[in-house]
Amino acid sequence: GQQVMQIPQYQHVQEGEDFTTYCNSSTTLSNIQWYKQRPGGHPVFLIQLVKSGEVKKQKRLTFQFGEAKKNSSLHITATQTTDVGTYFCAATSGTYKYIFGTGTRLKVLA
Amino acid sequence: SQTIHQWPATLVQPVGSPLSLECTVEGTSNPNLYWYRQAAGRGLQLLFYSVGIGQISSEVPQNLSASRPQDRQFILSSKKLLLSDSGFYLCAWSVTNHNEQFFGPGTRLTVL
Repeated sequence: GQQVMQIPQYQHVQEGEDFTTYCNSSTTLSNIQWYKQRPGGHPVFLIQLVKSGEVKKQKRLTFQFGEAKKNSSLHITATQTTDVGTYFCAATSGTYKYIFGTGTRLKVLA
Repeated sequence: SQTIHQWPATLVQPVGSPLSLECTVEGTSNPNLYWYRQAAGRGLQLLFYSVGIGQISSEVPQNLSASRPQDRQFILSSKKLLLSDSGFYLCAWSVTNHNEQFFGPGTRLTVL
């Protein structure tokens, strides 16, 4: 079945450094979503990308969808301690179900 | 506004005991509903999803089952729990497919 891989699995950064997580699929995706899960909490929706090559920004967060719609990335500029958590991508190939990536756990050292 | 409730928040059950987790959504009609399981420090595994009352799609064959007796109610059940059923169970809803999912607070289940 469809799989969505995320790298890296873990990332520790110093506060103020940048952070990037990548999401890759073996199949073409209809859209891709990004979620953030704080420690002990539930996933919270960040953004959805639909178009090939799409780039969206939310303050310090930049999201990209690959030209072939098989990969995506989330980049955080100048991380803050509030960015701590696990970031998941979630992809669908056109059905009702979403396949979540394995997640990238971000730790920000003050 | 829409809200999603899950209960209980935490649960400790012995192996072989039954399970019933409930999820309800308020403020929307005919939502898509989902059950996920998350093992400690891991990703989300889709267990079941439903696009309407009585319509359940199972993603992972196991000793769990789901039911949707009402439009905004989704129940996860088991007749006999296994140790491997321990985890964080999350219910979610979306307006339609291709839309963002809203997650409930989750239930932490420990099977001993």
